This record gives sequence, C-alpha cells and structure tokens, in this order.
Amino acid sequence: AQKITQTQPGMFVQEKEAVTLDCTYDTSDQSYGLFWYKQPSSGEMIFLIYQGSYDEQNATEGRYSLNFQKARKSANLVISASQLGDSAMYFCAMRERSTGGFKTIFGAGTRLFVKA
Amino acid sequence: DSGVTQTPKHLITATGQRVTLRCSPRSGDLSVYWYQQSLDQGLQFLIQYYNGEERAKGNILERFSAQQFPDLHSELNLSSLELGDSALYFCASSDEEASSYEQYFGPGTRLTVT
Repeated sequence: AQKITQTQPGMFVQEKEAVTLDCTYDTSDQSYGLFWYKQPSSGEMIFLIYQGSYDEQNATEGRYSLNFQKARKSANLVISASQLGDSAMYFCAMRERSTGGFKTIFGAGTRLFVKA
Repeated sequence: DSGVTQTPKHLITATGQRVTLRCSPRSGDLSVYWYQQSLDQGLQFLIQYYNGEERAKGNILERFSAQQFPDLHSELNLSSLELGDSALYFCASSDEEASSYEQYFGPGTRLTVT
C-alpha cells in the first residue's frame, strides 16, 4: 500500500504567487515525522521543512510552511511568493520507526514549474 | 554543500559485475542511510546504519549489502549487476539527537549498467 501519496505529478504557478503541493500519508504509528525535500535539475536533495507528529503548530521555514492536518493525514507544502528558482521536483517523505531504527518513505514527487 | 561526500560521482559498468559506492557522513553524524532513485521506482530507502550497526532495512535486494566502518564512513556493495540496477544512489546522514531529524543528502552516485 502506498504510504505517501502525492497526487499532483506536475504543477504550474506564476512567479510571486503562492502554491500548495499536496501530500497524504498512511501510518498506524503515533510517533512519526514528515518532511519535504526539493530536488532541482542538478539532482541534489535539499531539505526544506520538518513536522513531527506531536507538533501542534504548523512548521514554517522562511517561504515554506507545512499545513499539517493530522486527522486527515495530510501534510501539504505551501510555498509563498514563488520564485523562478523554485522550479524543481518536490518530495514529501515520512519517517517512521522500523525494527531497531527508522525508515524514510518518499512519495513519487511533484514537479513544480514557476512561470515568469 | 551538505557535508556528505559520495564517491564516485559516476560509474559505468557491465551486467554481472560488482561495484562499491562510498559515503562519508557529515562530521558528528552517526546515522547513515542509503537510497536508490530510479525512474520507475522513485526514491527507495535501502538501509540505515547507526554507529556501525545495521538499524533498519528497506527494499534492499539480497545482491546488495552495506556496512559502516569505525570511522563512520559507509559502503554500499552491489553485485551481479543487472540493467535494472541503473539508478542514482544517494547516501544521507543525520544527527538522531536533533529535533528535526533532517537527513543531509550527498550528491549521489549515478550508476549505469550496460
């Protein structure tokens, strides 16, 4: 079963506008973490933001915020004031406990195109 | 620069061969994770090591193995290579004590099996 679902293969946004990238997850654990990573065309993986399952406030990091709705099991990424450099692949991921350690499961990704 | 280094950057080899990918984590990070990114499978977690010990396993094939050495660098060994093993292999490290559990990714090793 898919544990991380990103339903938008591609998204377009106008420069300077806000955009929301969707992510839903599935876990039976009470303690888990949710991440967003950015992968530009150069290939590196860049950490954007983290939300712990017990965190009551939505995480924010600069222009990035994570809209965490625990009951709906969603962790959408909101990018405000989009910039051309935001064009990239975005991955939602979940860290959950595995025997002795932790697994991180990634979604299929959403490719964001920022238009000038 | 994440502080995680991976060598080599590119590797081209033939089917049936064996290769070793190397990763040096960020200074102070005890955890190392390996991932495989391919077009058809996406980004898949392979295995986690913590301070030299295997901690978690994901979708790692039996032909693949990994280890973490006392100096904390890690190696991923891929044997009896098949065309389908062609992928970008990432190593990531983290400080498990940090509240954000952020994983710092290396630049990856692109493996091409011909």
